[in-house]
Amino acid sequence: DVKVTQSSRYLVKRTGEKVFLECVQDMDHENMFWYRQDPGLGLRLIYFSYDVKMKEKGDIPEGYSVSREKKERFSLILESASTNQTSMYLCASWDPGGEKLFFGSGTQLSVL
Amino acid sequence: QQPVQSPQAVILREGEDAVINCSSSKALYSVHWYRQKHGEAPVFLMILLKGGEQKGHDKISASFNEKKQQSSLYLTASQLSYSGTYFCGTDDQTGANNLFFGTGTRLTVIP
Repeated sequence: DVKVTQSSRYLVKRTGEKVFLECVQDMDHENMFWYRQDPGLGLRLIYFSYDVKMKEKGDIPEGYSVSREKKERFSLILESASTNQTSMYLCASWDPGGEKLFFGSGTQLSVL
Repeated sequence: QQPVQSPQAVILREGEDAVINCSSSKALYSVHWYRQKHGEAPVFLMILLKGGEQKGHDKISASFNEKKQQSSLYLTASQLSYSGTYFCGTDDQTGANNLFFGTGTRLTVIP
């Protein structure tokens, strides 16, 4: 079974801090995604990557950046965390054979 | 680009049926359905490709009307295990398999 692992389940940071959210998948998938999930707003795409060092903006990229130095790892970076970035962050990878996304368990980030 | 889901929430008794709708303003290549139980990751249920097919497994099925840019998820004879939030994800084939998800439908099944 595909595993998408997010490094932290809960994270508490202070306003202005630089925050790194890490995601690793073990199935050699090319496409990886970062979503944020907020009550009433569903899942919104922040960034995605279709290859190493390749990235594309999603619907809400402002305040975020990403890094994909290795195929299995896709990192989301909050350059200067703000309280409105308090959210659940979900990483996913695309399984082309099954035509579906596999999600990680999520990181609940609180910015104080 | 976010699809519209309805209803936002529904409460069912065990054994009752429900329909969740998903509507897009854009032409679609495929529609995905995922279920997320409380505190867990969303899990894939099924994909429907353009062509108007209907799919299903167990007592959960879905249809896709590509002309109307709509999909519906049908849950029949609901079980307690069906409780969770259901998301539709739409693919208009303009990106690298990136899906646009609806706001979700919270389904609660009670005994």
